[in-house]
Amino acid sequence: AQRVTQPEKLLSVFKGAPVELKCNYSYSGSPELFWYVQYSRQRLQLLLRHISRESIKGFTADLNKGETSFHLKKPFAQEEDSAMYYCALRVTNAGKSTFGDGTTLTVKP
Amino acid sequence: KAGVTQTPRYLIKTRGQQVTLSCSPISGHRSVSWYQQTPGQGLQFLFEYFSETQRNKGNFPGRFSGRQFSNSRSEMNVSTLELGDSALYLCASSLQGEVTGELFFGEGSRLTVL
Repeated sequence: AQRVTQPEKLLSVFKGAPVELKCNYSYSGSPELFWYVQYSRQRLQLLLRHISRESIKGFTADLNKGETSFHLKKPFAQEEDSAMYYCALRVTNAGKSTFGDGTTLTVKP
Repeated sequence: KAGVTQTPRYLIKTRGQQVTLSCSPISGHRSVSWYQQTPGQGLQFLFEYFSETQRNKGNFPGRFSGRQFSNSRSEMNVSTLELGDSALYLCASSLQGEVTGELFFGEGSRLTVL
């Protein structure tokens, strides 16, 4: 069975500081990894996916299969980045996505 | 195109009652998943439907059930409600066959059990 772990429930940084949200997973095959974000009073939405290898809103995430991690990083945090972030794993072509418990990021001015 | 629509948005029930929640996916999406979101447990997978068939099921008791109709709309039902069922129930749709597997979420139905 697959499992996703986000070790930090709460993370607080100052504006302009680097931020890293950790995500570790356990799955024996080749998973698809995603980061979803939920801003205040908005619906949960996709932030980025490992297969695209893109940067969205300054965030990047690299899949490290050796360490089974998919940490989300941004070099300079902004106040508008304050939100709940979920890491998710999906087995390729399967309908189920497994989510971590989420990390609430607060960026202070 | 219109996003995922969930109804009702808010509802209050008492213990022992039953509730039905509805989800209309994005047009063309045939996969519908349901999740329970609570502050302490994050997002817990309930079940996933594709072409009117339940393909995956999470670790919830049999009081939680669902179905999908031919137009891909889905409903979930919770019978004999318990206080612990109070949560935000999220529906998500996806385009089966898409390699990336992105989920599109609705705003949720917030259930309060008194």
